[in-house]
Amino acid sequence: GDSVTQMEGPVTLSEEAFLTINCTYTATGYPSLFWYVQYPGEGLQLLLKATKADDKGSNKGFEATYRKETTSFHLEKGSVQVSDSAVYFCALSEWGGSEKLVFGKGTKLTVNP
Amino acid sequence: SQTIHQWPATLVQPVGSPLSLECTVEGTSNPNLYWYRQAAGRGLQLLFYSVGIGQISSEVPQNLSASRPQDRQFILSSKKLLLSDSGFYLCAWSLPGQPQHFGDGTRLSIL
Repeated sequence: GDSVTQMEGPVTLSEEAFLTINCTYTATGYPSLFWYVQYPGEGLQLLLKATKADDKGSNKGFEATYRKETTSFHLEKGSVQVSDSAVYFCALSEWGGSEKLVFGKGTKLTVNP
Repeated sequence: SQTIHQWPATLVQPVGSPLSLECTVEGTSNPNLYWYRQAAGRGLQLLFYSVGIGQISSEVPQNLSASRPQDRQFILSSKKLLLSDSGFYLCAWSLPGQPQHFGDGTRLSIL
């Protein structure tokens, strides 16, 4: 079945550091890929998405590129802020159907001032 | 604009008691609806999803059930809670081909 593997956390960075959270996937079809963010005590918010190969999703300074050849969707940000501290989830959804999401286990990011 | 409401925000229940968590969506029609559970230290697990009134698909056999009595209402229930039912429960909605949007979640503690 479909699966998502993302780097284990926790990740601790200093403010203004560069962030990369790795995500790779296994899917039988042509999935859409997502990054969701969960701030402490809250639900999940869609951060960015990409629906086909070579698409780049971006939002709030975060970027991720859909790489079909390496089945990856790594999340990057050039300069993190304390307010970026959260848990980040990579997810996929197969084309068509009920759009069920398959999530990675999440990566907790802590940014220190 | 569309909004999703979940309640209660937190709940503490004894083992063996019943459960009812409610989720409603406003501002859209015939959404797909989902229940997820996030256990401590683990990722999100899809429990149930629904593509229409009365249509429920279960992803994981367990002590829980779901119902969709109205187009934009999704209820998660249990007749007798187990300790293992503790966790953070998230409801989500989507339109076909569109990303899912999540509620703020219910933190359920079983004593």
